Amino acid sequence: GAVVSQHPSWVICKSGTSVKIECRSLDFQATTMFWYRQFPKQSLMLMATSNEGSKATYEQGVEKDKFLINHASLTLSTLTVTSAHPEDSSFYICSARVRDREPLHFGNGTRLTVT
Amino acid sequence: GESVGLHLPTLSVQEGDNSIINCAYSNSASDYFIWYKQESGKGPQFIIDIRSNMDKRQGQRVTVLLNKTVKHLSLQIAATQPGDSAVYFCAENAYYKLSFGAGTTVTVRA
Repeated sequence: GAVVSQHPSWVICKSGTSVKIECRSLDFQATTMFWYRQFPKQSLMLMATSNEGSKATYEQGVEKDKFLINHASLTLSTLTVTSAHPEDSSFYICSARVRDREPLHFGNGTRLTVT
Repeated sequence: GESVGLHLPTLSVQEGDNSIINCAYSNSASDYFIWYKQESGKGPQFIIDIRSNMDKRQGQRVTVLLNKTVKHLSLQIAATQPGDSAVYFCAENAYYKLSFGAGTTVTVRA
């Protein structure tokens, strides 16, 4: 149980284009989803927290107009990287949980490469 | 700001030996802790968790110890196997968010 599916697993896009990443909880309802970013050989950095039906809460330094998050249902959250640039190239990972103080369940990440 | 950190970036262990991975945290508001394992190119995989009202919790081949006095967390892996080679992260939960430490890369020698 507690499976989180993330799609696509990798994407290459041209500078200036937008990319959408989907995150789905397959067998549970996630009241909260989290989006992380990870650079090579580094830890996971929280980008934003998304609650179903409300606006996402972004961490300090994360541009909300660049990283658009939508959490339209209890099983789906999307992250759209708008006007992507090479410095946005990274590994983006979503996670979901049912309630606070319970484990986050992670997707397998999306490798974004902006050329 | 306060953050979770790990003492050692790498750990090399002989197959069959026990592994101990350490983690220091500084946020006194943290009330829940999790250990994750991450293999290359994949998302983190849950290993074990512990709440702040406990000091020890055991799973299958793994034990987590929590020392709130010195804000220290450790993960013990018994009889380490080649499949245990990965990066291990401790994470702390505070203010409804989960923050990750720097990670320890564990390499198992045959």
